[in-house]
Amino acid sequence: GQNIDQPTEMTATEGAIVQINCTYQTSGFNGLFWYQQHAGEAPTFLSYNVLDGLEEKGRFSSFLSRSKGYSYLLLKELQMKDSASYLCAVMDSNYQLIWGAGTKLIIKP
Amino acid sequence: TAGITQAPTSQILAAGRSMTLRCTQDMRHNAMYWYRQDLGLGLRLIHYSNTAGTTGKGEVPDGYSVSRANTDDFPLTLASAVPSQTSVYFCASSAEPNTEAFFGQGTRLTVV
Repeated sequence: GQNIDQPTEMTATEGAIVQINCTYQTSGFNGLFWYQQHAGEAPTFLSYNVLDGLEEKGRFSSFLSRSKGYSYLLLKELQMKDSASYLCAVMDSNYQLIWGAGTKLIIKP
Repeated sequence: TAGITQAPTSQILAAGRSMTLRCTQDMRHNAMYWYRQDLGLGLRLIHYSNTAGTTGKGEVPDGYSVSRANTDDFPLTLASAVPSQTSVYFCASSAEPNTEAFFGQGTRLTVV
């Protein structure tokens, strides 16, 4: 079966760095997405990785290792507004997105 | 620009009744999707459409139907609602199936 695993909840301190991991097992791979979802709101796109390596976009970076079925989202200089759920999703061989349950990130002052 | 709009925002529906959730996008995206989001679970795909005139079944299609008569609209119909269909429903669109998806604000549906 297809499976996306990510931690349920993480806590970090304002100004610090946090890494949210995602491991996956899917039938085929056509890219990995990270989305941010604030409570009660719609998911919004953060990043897309299809090749191995690190993609940097401001305070957020995303890493992919296809051989290990592994990705992480790195958030630097954490701000209170970063408190949200972070969703990992993998596009399978049929170009369907398989979603993880999300990681709720709590930022403390 | 409006982007992608869903209606209604929330609804309480009696079991056995039918209902259509509306979704409209103004980005001329080819692909559109309906997901449901339940606590502790990832987004689950109900139905999708890769282009106007075509639709496909996702992971949890039973009890739901869709149509894609044109590029902009992608309504989701519950023919006879059951309590297990209580959920938050998100419509999304993307330029192509393998590109970034944009989500509507969601419809919170409670079936009683």
